[in-house]
Amino acid sequence: NAGVTQTPKFQVLKTGQSMTLQCAQDMNHEYMSWYRQDPGMGLRLIHYSVGAGITDQGEVPNGYNVSRSTTEDFPLRLLSAAPSQTSVYFCASSAGGVGGPTNEKLFFGSGTQLSVL
Amino acid sequence: RKEVEQDPGPFNVPEGATVAFNCTYSNSASQSFFWYRQDCRKEPKLLMSVYSSGNEDGRFTAQLNRASQYISLLIRDSKLSDSATYLCVVNRGNQGGKLIFGQGTELSVKP
Repeated sequence: NAGVTQTPKFQVLKTGQSMTLQCAQDMNHEYMSWYRQDPGMGLRLIHYSVGAGITDQGEVPNGYNVSRSTTEDFPLRLLSAAPSQTSVYFCASSAGGVGGPTNEKLFFGSGTQLSVL
Repeated sequence: RKEVEQDPGPFNVPEGATVAFNCTYSNSASQSFFWYRQDCRKEPKLLMSVYSSGNEDGRFTAQLNRASQYISLLIRDSKLSDSATYLCVVNRGNQGGKLIFGQGTELSVKP
């Protein structure tokens, strides 16, 4: 019963390094999204996807890239890490589509603690 | 101004108390509303959806006022296990995945 799998759990980067946070779900969910959480800021939406091949920007997209080549995977790329990207990152998925709040329930991964020095 | 704003915390209450959290949202096109619970920076988990008529789940009652763009969560008979951060969540449109979170309100229930 995997649900949403996020890797790695912890990562330390130097400024300017690149990396990819992996996210995979096995629930055949159409919608996937990435959030970052900083103290006192709640979760802020970075990018989201409504299906394979379709992505869109959220509240704080700058410095991040995403792609959605399959329904299952939604990786988040940091091309040139900056200290301002130090945060906890959560990937989430939902069934989506019409059907109301039941389909919109978000299932989260366990998070990635990222530090950029 | 944030799109979704919550009462600043923390709320410190004794066991058995009733506590209410408020949330306002600025986008009048918002379609769906939720309360999530988050423990100690773990992943958030859905507590309850919020329906127009208001809804209740045991000790928890959620209310929605679309005219005032306001959502509330009432917890009755607080338990120690209710200690957590409560997140108000709003869907901007009619699609999943575009859910916007408030900054959260921390609740601490004391013996």
